[in-house]
Amino acid sequence: EVQLLESGGGLVQPGGSLRLSCAASGFIFGNYAMCWVRQAPGKGLEWVSIISGSGGSIYYADSVKGRFTISRDNSKNTLYLQMSGPRADDTAVYYCAKVGSPNGYGEVDYWGQGTLVTVSS
Amino acid sequence: QLVLTQSPSASASLGASVKLTCTLSSGHSSYAIAWHQQQPEKGPRYLMKVNNDGSHTKGDGIPDRFSGSSSGAERYLTISSLQSDDDADYYCQTWGTGIRVFGGGTRLTVL
Repeated sequence: EVQLLESGGGLVQPGGSLRLSCAASGFIFGNYAMCWVRQAPGKGLEWVSIISGSGGSIYYADSVKGRFTISRDNSKNTLYLQMSGPRADDTAVYYCAKVGSPNGYGEVDYWGQGTLVTVSS
Repeated sequence: QLVLTQSPSASASLGASVKLTCTLSSGHSSYAIAWHQQQPEKGPRYLMKVNNDGSHTKGDGIPDRFSGSSSGAERYLTISSLQSDDDADYYCQTWGTGIRVFGGGTRLTVL
């Protein structure tokens, strides 16, 4: 059974930093791309970033480019999102999601339960 | 620009059927999409992938009441024999080089 468990959310001050983690199990982690998707309160889903199975291909949404960094450790079956200089409009539930292909060119086929990030002073 | 358009809301009666639509932007009518369901206060769940030829592949445990189809730039999700827990938001999603896109979502109310 595929499981994705996010952690690391919480309250962060504007301009601070926060690292989210996603522990994966139930599949061969390094064989699949992974991504982060967020949902601001009362809003729809917004794609944040994606990383290929090998980690060699990475893309970001324009809204987070230059501020967030996605990475993965295939030896630990873990996905990360480093948030630097967060802003109030980054407040959202952040979901870790598995993509159905190694290069990321495909659908999200499993979701985590999400972790809430609140950016506020 | 790759964009997905969904109607903000839809409604149908318990036991009836409903067909939700996701429209691909001009120039992208050959793209496949995925449908996701988000029940109130829960995380999203993957329902299925719908290809431009109308074929679809469902996720684990998705009931036969859920099906997908396609026509031109439109991709559909049909839910038959509506149940109360089908009351949810439904999002379509697609992908291109360097970009992943979600539609704005359709809020389905089961009456």
